[in-house]
Amino acid sequence: AQKVTQAQTEISVVEKEDVTLDCVYETRDTTYYLFWYKQPPSGELVFLIRRNSFDEQNEISGRYSWNFQKSTSSFNFTITASQVVDSAVYFCALSERRDNYGQNFVFGPGTRLSVLP
Amino acid sequence: DTAVSQTPKYLVTQMGNDKSIKCEQNLGHDTMYWYKQDSKKFLKIMFSYNNKELIINETVPNRFSPKSPDKAHLNLHINSLELGDSAVYFCASSHGLILNTEAFFGQGTRLTVV
Repeated sequence: AQKVTQAQTEISVVEKEDVTLDCVYETRDTTYYLFWYKQPPSGELVFLIRRNSFDEQNEISGRYSWNFQKSTSSFNFTITASQVVDSAVYFCALSERRDNYGQNFVFGPGTRLSVLP
Repeated sequence: DTAVSQTPKYLVTQMGNDKSIKCEQNLGHDTMYWYKQDSKKFLKIMFSYNNKELIINETVPNRFSPKSPDKAHLNLHINSLELGDSAVYFCASSHGLILNTEAFFGQGTRLTVV
């Protein structure tokens, strides 16, 4: 069965520090897809990025960057020069096929990031 | 032009009551979901429908009954509400046959059973 682990339950940093959120996944599929979502205090779930299992190129988007390493089954997320508005719960997720059709998203337990001014 | 909308946003009700949460998506997706988020923020799949057909039915009490009148709607009806049902319920949708697509979520319904 698919499983996503986010070992860091809570992280606190001071504004402008860099912070990395860890994500480790388990799957028997050779093709799979990974995602990061952000849940700010307002409660909505905001999609940040998706990554295919066959594309290990790292990605940078502004202050956000993602490091995908298939060898260690990890898909880590780094925020550079953190800001107070980055305070949120961040979820890593894995997409799996169910019964030859349909799709399910398996979420990790989330990491609560607090950025202090 | 909200992509996934669910109503109501807040629901406070007494134990034993029956309530419904509605969800609609205008993205043309063929798969819709209900997720439950507990007080520790764990997000757990409850149900998934693909083109009005039930695909995923995770270990959920049969007091919970999803209904999909068409592929743009997935409603959740809960009978005989219990205190433990208090949580945030999220509706979501995706292109289910294409794994490389993200799920779009509604804003959530915070259910409080008193």
